[in-house]
Amino acid sequence: AAGVIQSPRHLIKEKRETATLKCYPIPRHDTVYWYQQGPGQDPQFLISFYEKMQSDKGSIPDRFSAQQFSDYHSELNMSSLELGDSALYFCAERRSTGELFFGEGSRLTVL
Amino acid sequence: AQSVAQPEDQVNVAEGNPLTVKCTYSVSGNPYLFWYVQYPNRGLQFLLKYITGDNLVKGSYGFEAEFNKSQTSFHLKKPSALVSDSALYFCAVRDYSGAGSYQLTFGKGTKLSVIP
Repeated sequence: AAGVIQSPRHLIKEKRETATLKCYPIPRHDTVYWYQQGPGQDPQFLISFYEKMQSDKGSIPDRFSAQQFSDYHSELNMSSLELGDSALYFCAERRSTGELFFGEGSRLTVL
Repeated sequence: AQSVAQPEDQVNVAEGNPLTVKCTYSVSGNPYLFWYVQYPNRGLQFLLKYITGDNLVKGSYGFEAEFNKSQTSFHLKKPSALVSDSALYFCAVRDYSGAGSYQLTFGKGTKLSVIP
């Protein structure tokens, strides 16, 4: 079955650089979530969108921004990268049955 | 805010033995609880959920979970563990932020190791 597609799967950046992660949910799924999972940590909620509008905001740094586009794909933009931003970033869509369906994640390494 | 706690960082079990991964919750109102599994460098895979109804919930890969309201617990169980069940398991609770939107708040995770 089709799933949430995230790109890139791996990304290496230097400190103070900018990174953009992309998420492509299953077509016509209108709710997208972004989570950050640091090494050995549980996933932390960053931000979510419903019908292209921000619906909730979690522990997302001011250096990060996100949006959902007309085709429902979403992008997470991260600027002034810090070493502590190195993590797995997951995108998830909300199914009609209530659970979140996660992508395979994008691993960001900041050097 | 809603929260879940996983009291064990690691659980070791012999292959073929029953396994239990513990989760307790703290919520206001009715709890909506989930279990996810994560293999190394992979995404979170949904196993099962409790919304309402039977206290024993059956999910994927032979896993089940028992909702216990009096003990505020939602332990994950499997009658006979497989080596391939070795992974990181997360309990999660639906956390409403108002205006009908919600997200999942996860526990710290429990590493399950099934020993051949």
